[in-house]
Amino acid sequence: KQEVTQIPAALSVPEGENLVLNCSFTDSAIYNLQWFRQDPGKGLTSLLLIQSSQREQTSGRLNASLDKSSGRSTLYIAASQPGDSATYLCAVMGTGNMLTFGGGTRLMVKP
Amino acid sequence: DVKVTQSSRYLVKRTGEKVFLECVQDMDHENMFWYRQDPGLGLRLIYFSYDVKMKEKGDIPEGYSVSREKKERFSLILESASTNQTSMYLCASRSDRVEQYFGPGTRLTVT
Repeated sequence: KQEVTQIPAALSVPEGENLVLNCSFTDSAIYNLQWFRQDPGKGLTSLLLIQSSQREQTSGRLNASLDKSSGRSTLYIAASQPGDSATYLCAVMGTGNMLTFGGGTRLMVKP
Repeated sequence: DVKVTQSSRYLVKRTGEKVFLECVQDMDHENMFWYRQDPGLGLRLIYFSYDVKMKEKGDIPEGYSVSREKKERFSLILESASTNQTSMYLCASRSDRVEQYFGPGTRLTVT
């Protein structure tokens, strides 16, 4: 059974820092990996989708990488801003065509 | 823009009431999902549907049922609401093996 882990569970950084969020998964037989952002009391917003054949995807200040063989993905946020404060979740899609979610990393960017 | 909408942002119901949560997507997606999200437990899949009138149980289907009479609409039904069904309910949709999109969520309180 696929397990997805995100470490750390919470992170606090000063504004302007570059930061990396980590996601690890136990079964490398995946179709894709998706990163989401969730603001308090809201739904999930899709940030980036990486197909299993890809190594990375970029959107603005966000860059997500995927190393399928080692079961890891990272989300890199450049020049963090207070508006980046949210919970970030990763999810992997395995052979069952279903997403398995990590527990999330709660990020706070302090002005 | 892909849009997934949910019928209510906040809902307060009494124990024993029948509750309907509705979800509509505008992207002609085959797959639709209902999750609940609770602190410390993460996202848990209740039911999903891969086609009209088709439904499959997720990880926690007890106490819930679903209906999908039209491709764009997926309803979650609590036959007799209980206090342990107080939660954030999230609907999602996608085509096969691509990006999954979530609605804004419904915060349900059962008193």
